[in-house]
Amino acid sequence: GAVVSQHPSRVICKSGTSVKIECRSLDFQATTMFWYRQFPKQSLMLMATSNEGSKATYEQGVEKDKFLINHASLTLSTLTVTSAHPEDSSFYICSAFGSSGREHNEQFFGPGTRLTVL
Amino acid sequence: DAKTTQPPSMDCAEGRAANLPCNHSTISGNEYVYWYRQIHSQGPQYIIHGLKNNETNEMASLIITEDRKSSTLILPHATLRDTAVYYCIVRVANDYKLSFGAGTTVTVRA
Repeated sequence: GAVVSQHPSRVICKSGTSVKIECRSLDFQATTMFWYRQFPKQSLMLMATSNEGSKATYEQGVEKDKFLINHASLTLSTLTVTSAHPEDSSFYICSAFGSSGREHNEQFFGPGTRLTVL
Repeated sequence: DAKTTQPPSMDCAEGRAANLPCNHSTISGNEYVYWYRQIHSQGPQYIIHGLKNNETNEMASLIITEDRKSSTLILPHATLRDTAVYYCIVRVANDYKLSFGAGTTVTVRA
């Protein structure tokens, strides 16, 4: 299957700083990427949908000014957690699918980024 | 919100078949059943999907009841590496959002 990478795999930062997480589709072009957040022992929660060349669509309750998403190319989307606080500590996962013409493309997920805010 | 109901956990013996049930009694005619799994501290992995016919691939088989209100994911010969949380998700074909429920935590024991 297609490969999606995330960088970094884990990051520790101080409260008040900003952290950027990259999501890359390595062997296909991803017209749409999704960003999820997962707290310990909980399921994945969709944060936003990122379309190449346009503004991201955020789910209800997700602050767009705090979680900045940029999808500047067909292989890269970034999530920036601005002014991070300890409650932002979580496992952030991206997924991507491309425009191969198949109606039922399955989403391919990245390995996740563990963010710890001190 | 998730449209599926799964048991919270189940154990399975290594080498045996694991049958994972999922109820989706409110599924619409244009919604597919998808299965993903998430091994601890990793991103989810696609397993299989289907509309109304049974499906099989190299990882698993998917059995969907005739009324489509429930389905079963079958791992034919479970291994220790199949220990994971398994998510059953219903999704309209052209809506690529995935809504994850709590899933079933499957533990394969030697």
